[in-house]
Amino acid sequence: DQQVKQNSPSLSVQEGRISILNCDYTNSMFDYFLWYKKYPAEGPTFLISISSIKDKNEDGRFTVFLNKSAKHLSLHIVPSQPGDSAVYFCAASAKTSYDKVIFGPGTSLSVIP
Amino acid sequence: EAGVAQSPRYKIIEKRQSVAFWCNPISGHATLYWYQQILGQGPKLLIQFQNNGVVDDSQLPKDRFSAERLKGVDSTLKIQPAKLEDSAVYLCASSLYVVNEQYFGPGTRLTVT
Repeated sequence: DQQVKQNSPSLSVQEGRISILNCDYTNSMFDYFLWYKKYPAEGPTFLISISSIKDKNEDGRFTVFLNKSAKHLSLHIVPSQPGDSAVYFCAASAKTSYDKVIFGPGTSLSVIP
Repeated sequence: EAGVAQSPRYKIIEKRQSVAFWCNPISGHATLYWYQQILGQGPKLLIQFQNNGVVDDSQLPKDRFSAERLKGVDSTLKIQPAKLEDSAVYLCASSLYVVNEQYFGPGTRLTVT
């Protein structure tokens, strides 16, 4: 049972345009959400997070939006750069589960120069 | 600040053999995680330590996998005997607190033939 879903395995975007990566979750107990970025042969690196008490969090070119009623979050990258080409993992955790983090399957983003 | 260290980076073994992975977390990080990442999937938590106590090992195949964290610092993950389906990247991560961004090591790519 996949609790965190990323239905787009891959995404291609032109440099300078907006990249939108989507994530859906099924567990209503999730109260903290994170995005990680992964380059080949490296471990994932933390990108941005959002608590369930917020609906938006922004950090430079990266913004995460949370829609609790739809159990949906999205990561916006503006403007997209070739160095953003990587696999992006959405992740979620719940205090009721000792904050165990559940990762989605990832979306591979390619930013075309 | 030194990152999370893991060794070896690559390992090839035959099925039914045993293998061990080592992880040294970031100094001062109380929480340590071992994840299994199968190709095309997100990382799956195997075990989570808080200092040297186990917080969650619900997805650890305990008939063949074992893990320990000595003195609340370094950790080892062992597989004995290995199966073909254990072929994956094994990631170690650490965090300062439980609800916090995790810092990942580069991972160990295990191939079981």
